Amino acid sequence: AQSVTQLGSHVSVSEGALVLLRCNYSSSVPPYLFWYVQYPNQGLQLLLKYTSAATLVKGINGFEAEFKKSETSFHLTKPSAHMSDAAEYFCAVSGPSNQAGTALIFGKGTTLSVSS
Amino acid sequence: EPEVTQTPSHQVTQMGQEVILRCVPISNHLYFYWYRQILGQKVEFLVSFYNNEISEKSEIFDDQFSVERPDGSNFTLKIRSTKLEDSAMYFCASNSGGRQGNEQFFGPGTRLTVL
Repeated sequence: AQSVTQLGSHVSVSEGALVLLRCNYSSSVPPYLFWYVQYPNQGLQLLLKYTSAATLVKGINGFEAEFKKSETSFHLTKPSAHMSDAAEYFCAVSGPSNQAGTALIFGKGTTLSVSS
Repeated sequence: EPEVTQTPSHQVTQMGQEVILRCVPISNHLYFYWYRQILGQKVEFLVSFYNNEISEKSEIFDDQFSVERPDGSNFTLKIRSTKLEDSAMYFCASNSGGRQGNEQFFGPGTRLTVL
C-alpha cells in the first residue's frame, strides 16, 4: 500500500534561510509524488509534482524537490525563505494506479514558520 | 484560470441532520473527488467519481455518505445523518486524466461543524 511520512510536524526558519521539508514515501509501483501548500483558511494548491521524468522538479514560488529512489525520498527545498512561505505543506503519493481516479495519499503535513 | 468552487464555505448543522456539500469542478475535467481534513489532522480521501459512478472509495465513505452529479456541472456530497465526528473541512477536487496523470485540483473547502 502507498504511504507518505513527513518528518517534522513543525519547521521554523529565519527569513532568507534555506527551507527543507522532508518526505519519504512507500509505494509498490513507481510513484507519482506531489507537494501541496495550504495557506490559512484556504484550499490546497499544487506546488510541484514528480511524474517519472526529471528527478529534480521545479515548482512555483521558487520551490523544488528531488526524487531519490534509493532513499525513497522527495524532500522539498527553497534556497531562501520568505515570510509569505509560512503555511502548511503536504506531501502526497498517488494511489496504486498512477492514473486519474485514484486517491492521493497525504502525509500529516508540516507547518512552516518564517521569522524576520 | 479555471478553478474548483465549493459552496457553502461554512455549514453548521445539528447532529442527525442531513447535509449536502456542493462543488463545481473545472469544466472539462472528468474525474471528481472528495477529501476531508479533521482539524489538526491529515487530508483523507473519501471517494472518487468517474462517468457517473464511484470508481474508488475509502473505509470512511460508509452508507451515510453518497455522491451525485445531478446536472452535469455540480458534484455533491451528501451526509445522511451527521455525527459529531463528521466535523471537518471537506475538499472537492477534479482532474482530467491523460497526460496530467493524477494531478488533482482542489477547491477552497467547506468547513462543516456538527453540533
